[in-house]
Amino acid sequence: DGGITQSPKYLFRKEGQNVTLSCEQNLNHDAMYWYRQDPGQGLRLIYYSQIVNDFQKGDIAEGYSVSREKKESFPLTVTSAQKNPTAFYLCASTLGLAGYNEQFFGPGTRLTVL
Amino acid sequence: AQSVTQPDIHITVSEGASLELRCNYSYGATPYLFWYVQSPGQGLQLLLKYFSGDTLVQGIKGFEAEFKRSQSSFNLRKPSVHWSDAAEYFCAVAAYSGGGADGLTFGKGTHLIIQP
Repeated sequence: DGGITQSPKYLFRKEGQNVTLSCEQNLNHDAMYWYRQDPGQGLRLIYYSQIVNDFQKGDIAEGYSVSREKKESFPLTVTSAQKNPTAFYLCASTLGLAGYNEQFFGPGTRLTVL
Repeated sequence: AQSVTQPDIHITVSEGASLELRCNYSYGATPYLFWYVQSPGQGLQLLLKYFSGDTLVQGIKGFEAEFKRSQSSFNLRKPSVHWSDAAEYFCAVAAYSGGGADGLTFGKGTHLIIQP
């Protein structure tokens, strides 16, 4: 079955540690996105990538980093510079680069900083 | 910059009653608009989208939405809700540049509660 997988589903981190969230898609989609969701805040765009080896900052990129070495993979690293990392993180992808294309979402990773 | 406003944080509707969820957007060009639904702890599923043509858009699960440019609105409707419709609903607008889709801007969501 085609889709987007995110792992792990739950992640716990101690303050001061970097942690990497995985996002893989087998839909042959071109663009991939990372969003952060906080209660009552909707989703906010962290980073996105429209092509391999290229990515752009979204609205809240500070304290995060990404890479896009393969078309199907777009891992997100939450660094120790992110002041409030506890949140629900969602990865998405879209076929083509037209703005009207549907974004498909993964099931999410819930990150908790202890 | 684009923005989306969903004025209602929570809405309670009786099962079988009609539903309307409000969405207002701000965007300088022709907007691409979306409604997504999210069950607790899950990802988002697309209900419907508008990008051109007929301003009344039909979606999955019996939902529809009407794009009104003069009111900058894209309200979601359903004639008769079911208990399984209880979820979080998000309206979104697509930002795009010459290089392609730059991601979605979401509203803060409306939590729908269904009363038996």
